[in-house]
Amino acid sequence: AQSVSQHNHHVILSEAASLELGCNYSYGGTVNLFWYVQYPGQHLQLLLKYFSGDPLVKGIKGFEAEFIKSKFSFNLRKPSVQWSDTAEYFCAVNGDNYGQNFVFGPGTRLSVLP
Amino acid sequence: DVKVTQSSRYLVKRTGEKVFLECVQDMDHENMFWYRQDPGLGLRLIYFSYDVKMKEKGDIPEGYSVSREKKERFSLILESASTNQTSMYLCASSLLGASSYGYTFGSGTRLTVV
Repeated sequence: AQSVSQHNHHVILSEAASLELGCNYSYGGTVNLFWYVQYPGQHLQLLLKYFSGDPLVKGIKGFEAEFIKSKFSFNLRKPSVQWSDTAEYFCAVNGDNYGQNFVFGPGTRLSVLP
Repeated sequence: DVKVTQSSRYLVKRTGEKVFLECVQDMDHENMFWYRQDPGLGLRLIYFSYDVKMKEKGDIPEGYSVSREKKERFSLILESASTNQTSMYLCASSLLGASSYGYTFGSGTRLTVV
């Protein structure tokens, strides 16, 4: 069965600090990869996705993620965080053995201090 | 914009009650999903449906059932609510071929069973 792990449960940063959130998955076949964000009191929104091509993908609000197939990783990065980035971040994987369903990681809560 | 609407934002029910959670999407999506979201566990798939009157069990279907009589509506049913079903319930929808597009989520229903 597929599984997704996220390295940190809670990350606390000051504004302007750089961010990297780790995501690793267990499936060895072809995958599509996603990062979702959930701002306080809001619904989950798609930040970015990878399904083929350039392994460095750019998303909304200055976020990017890099797919490293050999490491089964899809880490999320942002060079300079803002207070408004305070949210919970979820990595999700769709493997070619799992139909149209996604497997989500446990989430990482990001708190950005002003 | 695709909208996924969940009928209740907050719900409090008694143990043993039959509970209906309703989800409606307005963009003619084929796929619909029910997840529950718990701290530290991320999103776990309860049931999904790729078509009207079609339903499939996800990873944690025990204690739940679903109904999809119309394409736009996907209902989650707790046959006899228990306290361990206290959670945030998220509905999502997607086009056929979700792996390339991702999901659109509703705002969630926070269910408390007392």
